[in-house]
Amino acid sequence: KNQVEQSPQSLIILEGKNCTLQCNYTVSPFSNLRWYKQDTGRGPVSLTIMTFSENTKSNRRYTATLDADTKQSSLHITASQLSDSASYICVVSDRGSTLGRLYFGRGTQLTVWP
Amino acid sequence: EADIYQTPRYLVIGTGKKITLECSQTMGHDKMYWYQQDPGMELHLIHYSYGVNSTEKGDLSSESTVSRIRTEHFPLTLESARPSHTSQYLCASSQGTAFGEKLFFGSGTQLSVL
Repeated sequence: KNQVEQSPQSLIILEGKNCTLQCNYTVSPFSNLRWYKQDTGRGPVSLTIMTFSENTKSNRRYTATLDADTKQSSLHITASQLSDSASYICVVSDRGSTLGRLYFGRGTQLTVWP
Repeated sequence: EADIYQTPRYLVIGTGKKITLECSQTMGHDKMYWYQQDPGMELHLIHYSYGVNSTEKGDLSSESTVSRIRTEHFPLTLESARPSHTSQYLCASSQGTAFGEKLFFGSGTQLSVL
């Protein structure tokens, strides 16, 4: 069964600290994996995409990794800010340029305290 | 900032009422989607469209219906709302890339049926 599991379910950190969010998936065949950020009361916004051949990708203070062999991805947030408080959702696609099936994780709710 | 708009943002109605949730995008995307999201849960696809006059049911059984008469407009209608329909409804459109679809979400409609 194709699934996407995220951990932890929720996380509280102090401003300025780093954190790492995990995403494990069983989706096959794998096409790509996206991390989305969803602020409270808003729709998700794409942060980064990881394809099969990519191991690491950075976008400002966000660094995503992908291990296609173990089917794991992580999102590392450096020097957290209050505005990082949001739900981070991992989405895995099982196909490429055609409209493939998307599998959503339940998200990790990150809270950054001052 | 995605150019996709949903109205209303919040809606509280009584059981049995007919409602239409509006969604419009100005990006010229052919593909549009409706997702349902409950707190702490993953997004579930309830309807999608590949283009004008094309609509399909998604993975989650829904009593709602959709229409796609114009590229930019993808409204969702509930003929007779029930308390079980209480949820957040997210509209999205997508841009095809070499690595798969990138979703752009609206801010959502929070529906409460009393």
